[in-house]
Amino acid sequence: AQSVTQLDSQVPVFEEAPVELRCNYSSSVSVYLFWYVQYPNQGLQLLLKYLSGSTLVESINGFEAEFNKSQTSFHLRKPSVHISDTAEYFCAVSPITGGGNKLTFGTGTQLKVEL
Amino acid sequence: GAGVSQSPSNKVTEKGKDVELRCDPISGHTALYWYRQSLGQGLEFLIYFQGNSAPDKSGLPSDRFSAERTGGSVSTLTIQRTQQEDSAVYLCASRQTGLDAYEQYFGPGTRLTVT
Repeated sequence: AQSVTQLDSQVPVFEEAPVELRCNYSSSVSVYLFWYVQYPNQGLQLLLKYLSGSTLVESINGFEAEFNKSQTSFHLRKPSVHISDTAEYFCAVSPITGGGNKLTFGTGTQLKVEL
Repeated sequence: GAGVSQSPSNKVTEKGKDVELRCDPISGHTALYWYRQSLGQGLEFLIYFQGNSAPDKSGLPSDRFSAERTGGSVSTLTIQRTQQEDSAVYLCASRQTGLDAYEQYFGPGTRLTVT
């Protein structure tokens, strides 16, 4: 079984400031890791993923996340946020083999970017 | 191309009534998932269909919940004798299958309110 912990339910930040959204996971098997984003009144969209290889992965809109196996973490960072980044962010894992790639989600972090 | 569609977008029902929620996956996607997003429980896996295989029903919260997938395409989630705790957003996702097919594409969801 897998579990995902997002300790911060809400993160307020000023525009152009850096931000880190924390994610820790627990799993008895190897997993893929994902960050999904849900903008207001929209569906879930994949932001970035870690499957294998380089532990630092990046999205097209400036977010990055680093897989740390020893700390079982996959924190999401952005060096300078924009108002349009206001959304809810969900960390998720799925087993690499078996389980049908079912996603186990964290409880989400609401990022609110203020002027 | 067309994404995952769900209907209705909103459903208000009285406690004790049955409801049906529909999902149209992306054409050609053989894997289909239902998740539930509620205030108290976050995002939870409900059920998973893969081709003609028996569905993985391990996430269904009670025997009032059932789902079917006809012709390997459209899926219907049925909740019988609805309860107030069933109020949530029900999300459907679909995925290709294959070696590098890991991304689930989510629909906009059906918001169910049980009064």
